Amino acid sequence: QKEVEQNSGPLSVPEGAIASLNCTYSDRGSQSFFWYRQYSGKSPELIMFIYSNGDKEDGRFTAQLNKASQYVSLLIRDSQPSDSATYLCAGGGGGSNYKLTFGKGTLLTVNP
Amino acid sequence: GAGVSQSPSNKVTEKGKDVELRCDPISGHTALYWYRQSLGQGLEFLIYFQGNSAPDKSGLPSDRFSAERTGGSVSTLTIQRTQQEDSAVYLCASSLEDWRAETQYFGPGTRLLVL
Repeated sequence: QKEVEQNSGPLSVPEGAIASLNCTYSDRGSQSFFWYRQYSGKSPELIMFIYSNGDKEDGRFTAQLNKASQYVSLLIRDSQPSDSATYLCAGGGGGSNYKLTFGKGTLLTVNP
Repeated sequence: GAGVSQSPSNKVTEKGKDVELRCDPISGHTALYWYRQSLGQGLEFLIYFQGNSAPDKSGLPSDRFSAERTGGSVSTLTIQRTQQEDSAVYLCASSLEDWRAETQYFGPGTRLLVL
């Protein structure tokens, strides 16, 4: 059973702080990892994807992947109230498997 | 270009009725996925299409649920004899096929309420 685990939170940070969201996965064959943001009542929207070990930066967002530890994280710098949402981690890939396994999500609240 | 579209956006039905939910993927996306999300819960995988075939139906909760895809494009998810526990948001996503598991793009969802 492939699993992706996330701390459900809520994670509360003050505006301007760094928010750190973490995720672990059980399937060592997973090759692709994704972070989605989901606002209440809306569908998930992609923030970032990462395939290789190390860091990947995009604006205020940095994704980190450590395949040896089966660990993925998302850092949000200079957090804004508009970042308040549930963040979903997903992993998948490998061979012809296009299916993603999603974690249950971490609720982030950024306080003004 | 146009994103994934789903219809209807909301559906209220009575217990025991059948419902059909529709998904139009992004043009050119060969992979299509259906998920279910209950209030406050994570995404529950239902079924995955690769072209018109469904290599993974493992998430369908019961034989009341079925899905098809025609022409490698539009997909319909049918729930027969709906039950109150079927109430949820049904999300469709599509992606290009890629050996790594290409990015999935989600539609707005269909909110189903079974009374």
